[in-house]
Amino acid sequence: AQSVAQPEDQVNVAEGNPLTVKCTYSVSGNPYLFWYVQYPNRGLQFLLKYITGDNLVKGSYGFEAEFNKSQTSFHLKKPSALVSDSALYFCAGRALNTGTASKLTFGTGTRLQVTL
Amino acid sequence: AAGVIQSPRHLIKEKRETATLKCYPIPRHDTVYWYQQGPGQDPQFLISFYEKMQSDKGSIPDRFSAQQFSDYHSELNMSSLELGDSALYFCASSSPGTSGIRGTDTQYFGPGTRLTVL
Repeated sequence: AQSVAQPEDQVNVAEGNPLTVKCTYSVSGNPYLFWYVQYPNRGLQFLLKYITGDNLVKGSYGFEAEFNKSQTSFHLKKPSALVSDSALYFCAGRALNTGTASKLTFGTGTRLQVTL
Repeated sequence: AAGVIQSPRHLIKEKRETATLKCYPIPRHDTVYWYQQGPGQDPQFLISFYEKMQSDKGSIPDRFSAQQFSDYHSELNMSSLELGDSALYFCASSSPGTSGIRGTDTQYFGPGTRLTVL
């Protein structure tokens, strides 16, 4: 069984400040983790993923995520938030070696609101 | 860069009608996934296909069926529509991961089809 949790429904941050969107996971075996962003009435856009290797993963639009095995976390971060980053963010994951075309399990999403 | 194409983008149906949603994957992608996202919900996996064969199955109702064709596009057929089927339906596509580890493909999502059942 696998699950992904996003403990915060909404995160508010001022433009220019660092942001963190939290994600924890429960996966049997080694995890394969993603962050996606969804703008209103749009599809999910891939931001970054973790397979193995460096715990700090860099992605699109200046976002990065830190994988922490001991805390089973994969928090999304950005050093300086922009108003245009305001959107719905989903953490997703599955176990490695589960075969081809295996489903992703999504968290419930965190709405990021960046204000001037 | 080419993206996943879904049609139609919006669909309005009456209860008990049928609907067909289409998905055209990114060129050279051989894997297609279908997800359902209800209002204010996270995407829920329905079904996936790899090389035209069903690969994984989630919480897809028996009223729904899907297939992947020889050109890799996929169709989701929905019959006896219910009010609760109103949702955003996403298709995602991927190609085999290049890391050498099974199951490391990245799913790229289409814009979705918004289905409203009245």
